[in-house]
Amino acid sequence: GNSVTQMEGPVTLSEEAFLTINCTYTATGYPSLFWYVQYPGEGLQLLLKATKADDKGSNKGFEATYRKETTSFHLEKGSVQVSDSAVYFCALSDRVRDDKIIFGKGTRLHILP
Amino acid sequence: KAGVTQTPRYLIKTRGQQVTLSCSPISGHRSVSWYQQTPGQGLQFLFEYFSETQRNKGNFPGRFSGRQFSNSRSEMNVSTLELGDSALYLCASSLAGTRSTGELFFGEGSRLTVL
Repeated sequence: GNSVTQMEGPVTLSEEAFLTINCTYTATGYPSLFWYVQYPGEGLQLLLKATKADDKGSNKGFEATYRKETTSFHLEKGSVQVSDSAVYFCALSDRVRDDKIIFGKGTRLHILP
Repeated sequence: KAGVTQTPRYLIKTRGQQVTLSCSPISGHRSVSWYQQTPGQGLQFLFEYFSETQRNKGNFPGRFSGRQFSNSRSEMNVSTLELGDSALYLCASSLAGTRSTGELFFGEGSRLTVL
């Protein structure tokens, strides 16, 4: 079945450091890929998405490129801020198969001032 | 515009009891999905309702059930609670379900503790 694997956390970085959170997926169809973010005490919110191979999603300085050849959708940001501290979830939706949105287990990010 | 509202936010139950959680989606949204979030398993899909019909179901036992009303509000019920049911239960709404844009709008969750 479909699945999402993302790097385990927590990830701790200093402010202004470069961030990469790895995400790979397994899907039998043609999935759309997403990154969601969960700030402390809140529900998840969509950060960015990509619907086909080679698409790049971007928002708030974060970027991720849909790589079909490596089945990956790594999240990157050039210079993180303390306010980026949160849990980040990679997810996929397979519109051909069953449309459920499947989430990875989440990566907790701590940014130190 | 009001976001997704879940009630209650926190509750404590004992093993064997049952619980009902409520979710009011964003106005105009017809799809409601439920997820269970635990530290060990992450986010696991429970079910999705669209226009009062269950459209998708995850791999949870029959103790977990849900329904959706004509105003799109949804409830989920867990019967015969077990310790392992302790989790944050998240509700998410979307305009036309995950078959459209795939974007879900989440509530803050209902945190259930089973003693």
